[in-house]
Parts: sequence; structure tokens; C-alpha cells
Amino acid sequence: DIQMTQSPSSLSASVGDIVTITCRASQDVKNDLDWYQHEPGKAPRRLIYAASTLQSGVPSRFSGSGSGTEFTLTINNLRPEDFATYYCLQYLSYPRTFGQGTKLEIK
Amino acid sequence: QVQLQESGPGLVKPSGTLSLTCAVSGDSVSGSKWWTWVRQPPGKGLEWIGEVYHNGNTNYKSSLRGRVTISVDKPNNQFSLRLSSVTAADTAVYYCVTGAVTTQYWGQGTLVTVSS
Repeated sequence: DIQMTQSPSSLSASVGDIVTITCRASQDVKNDLDWYQHEPGKAPRRLIYAASTLQSGVPSRFSGSGSGTEFTLTINNLRPEDFATYYCLQYLSYPRTFGQGTKLEIK
Repeated sequence: QVQLQESGPGLVKPSGTLSLTCAVSGDSVSGSKWWTWVRQPPGKGLEWIGEVYHNGNTNYKSSLRGRVTISVDKPNNQFSLRLSSVTAADTAVYYCVTGAVTTQYWGQGTLVTVSS
């Protein structure tokens, strides 16, 4: 199975900040990677697919980059509604695997 | 608009079988796409369980293989999850998911607790 490792596991930031979350794959996943936002009590929401394509309806302050084994999710100009947990997911091969999550908290 | 709705018992006894159904509206389970289950144990991250294609082909999480079955029910336009020999570690919120390349839809999730 492909292992997905996110860093950091948690981070504190302020409204207006820029934050970057990294996801590393244990083997090449090409660009077959999604990023999700998950708020407590809600269903996860896909933000990015194919490593860098913004899901329709997602604000442009979210962006994704990378390919192969290293990927980043960047959030510009943090808004209060962005404080949540973020996950990457590889879908190159089965079984699909999520990263362990990055909890973004308000400083 | 595609909508998914999970249903099933909220409490299952240890060693029993967890059974959930995902009712689909706005789309057909006979269509060419994957129908997926994801779970989140309390205080932990998201976990991909497995998925079924409209023709019945399946893929499962390695550690659950042998206990898990995902299937489509075309007459009722729904798909289901069965997980046997459950333990407390299977306590989680279970989500059903579907979509295509550019779209994705999630159910609201249902909590299943494994306890005697």
C-alpha cells in the first residue's frame, strides 16, 4: 500500500496568514492526488483534484502543487472558515490512502 | 443534484455484522462510476474502506479484506457496506461517496458504535 505522510500534523495561524501543508507519498503517485477539508460534524469537502485543479466552487485562495511524491496545499489570506482539518488522498492505485491529516487552528 | 443518504443500525454488538445502505438520488448506480465508503473513527483521520463499480467489481482496504463486502443494489438504486466480525475499532462515522473526475458527492455520514 502507498503511505501518505502529511506535515505538519497541526499548525496554528492567524486570519490573513498564508499556510502550506505538505503531503509526501511513499512511491510515485504521478498527479493522482486530492486535497480535502473536513470540519467537525460535516462531510469532507474536496478542494483540489489532480494535484492542482481547483474544485468548482472552491475559493481561489486555495491552491495545490506538486507531482510524483511531494505535494503542497497552500491557503492564502486565511479566513475564519478555513480552520479545519486537511487531508490528502492518493488515487493512483488501490487501496486508496489518506494522509493522517493536518489540523489548522486559530492562533 | 446528486444526493446520498446513509442508513443502518447505529449500534452493533462486538463480533456482529455492520450493515449500512447508501440511497442514491439524482444519479443511477447502474452508471459508469465508482461507489465508495469512507470512515472516520472518533478522534482519528479519514480511512478509505473500499468501492464498487456498477458491474460489481470491487476494491477494498487491505486490512479489511476478508471482513468487508460492498455491493450495488440496482433495483433500489443504492449500494451497501457489510463489515463482519466487528470490534470497538470499527466504531466510526461512515460516509458514502461518489463522483466523477470533476464532481464529487458525499453523504452526511452516520455514526456506528460497536458495543455490547
